[in-house]
Order: sequence, then structure tokens, then C-alpha cells
Amino acid sequence: AQSVAQPEDQVNVAEGNPLTVKCTYSVSGNPYLFWYVQYPNRGLQFLLKYITGDNLVKGSYGFEAEFNKSQTSFHLKKPSALVSDSALYFCAVRGGGYQKVTFGIGTKLQVIP
Amino acid sequence: EAGVTQSPTHLIKTRGQQATLRCSPISGHTSVYWYQQALGLGLQFLLWYDEGEERNRGNFPPRFSGRQFPNYSSELNVNALELEDSALYLCASSLVGGQVNQPQHFGDGTRLSIL
Repeated sequence: AQSVAQPEDQVNVAEGNPLTVKCTYSVSGNPYLFWYVQYPNRGLQFLLKYITGDNLVKGSYGFEAEFNKSQTSFHLKKPSALVSDSALYFCAVRGGGYQKVTFGIGTKLQVIP
Repeated sequence: EAGVTQSPTHLIKTRGQQATLRCSPISGHTSVYWYQQALGLGLQFLLWYDEGEERNRGNFPPRFSGRQFPNYSSELNVNALELEDSALYLCASSLVGGQVNQPQHFGDGTRLSIL
């Protein structure tokens, strides 16, 4: 069975500082990894994905993520946080074929002005 | 391009009643997914339809059911509503579901409240 762990319920960071939101996963076979963001009273928005290739993936709004196969991690990063980045962030993993996508429980990011 | 649309936005029911939630995918998307987002529990996978067929189902009782229509829109039906069914129900769509590189695009959800 596949699973995703987001070990931090909340991450606080000062505006302008770099941010990291952690994610580890477990899946049989090749992992296909995604990050989504959810703003209050809205659905999830796709940020970026890792399918194959370079371990550093760039996505929307200046976010990037680093895939580490040996540590089974896919941490989300941004060099300089904005107050508008404050939201709920979800990591997700799926296997091949018609395997479902499994989401983590989410990490609340609070960027402090 | 219109996004994923869900209706109604809010739905209030009482215990034992039945609820129907609707979802229209992005034009050209053939896969529709349903998730339950209850407070503190993250996203729980409910159902996945692709080309009119049920492709996968989460660990929910049979009173949660759905279908996908020829135009790829979808319905989620919840029978014999219980208090713990109160949640935000999210629908997502994607291009061909079997392709692993396709992200899901989400609607803004239906807030179901059970009194």
C-alpha cells in the first residue's frame, strides 16, 4: 500500500526567508509525486510534479521540490517566502496504471510579515 | 478554459436523508475523482471514474456511490446520511486517468452539513 507522510502540521517562516515543507512517501515501483496548495474555502491547486528525470523540479509561483530516492522524500521549497504563500500544502503520490492518488494530511504554512 | 465546477456549493441535510452532489470536469478531461475532506483528516479518496467506468474505490461503505455520464460529468450519491458525513466533498478531473503524469484539477467543493 502506498502512503505519504507530512511530519509537520504547521510551518512558520518569516517573509523573505526560505521555506521548506517536508514530505516522505512509500510506494511500490516508481513514484509519481505531486504538490498541491489549498487556500481557504477553495479546492486544491496543482503546484508541481515529479515523474522522471531531474531531481529538482520547478513549479508555479516560484516553488520547487527536490526528489530524493534514497530518502524517499519530496520536500517543497521556495527561496523567499511571501505572505500570500500562507495556505495548506498537500503532498501526493501515485503508482502506475489505475492506482489511486494518496494525499498527505497537509501542512499549514504561515508566513509572518 | 472553464475549470471543474461543482454543485451545489452548500448542502444541508438531516440524518437518514440522501444527498446528491454533481461535478462537471474540464472540457476534454475523461477522468473524475471524488474526495472527502473532513476537518483534521486530510483528503480521503472516495471514487474514480474514467470513460464511464469505475476504476478505483476508497475504503468507504456502499452507501457512497456514484456514476459518470456520457458527457463525463459525474454524480456522487450518499444514502442514509450520518453525522460524520459532514465534510467538504471535492471533485477533480484529469486527462486520461491511466497516464501517471497527469495532475488533477480540483473544483471548489460542496460543503455537506448533516444536522
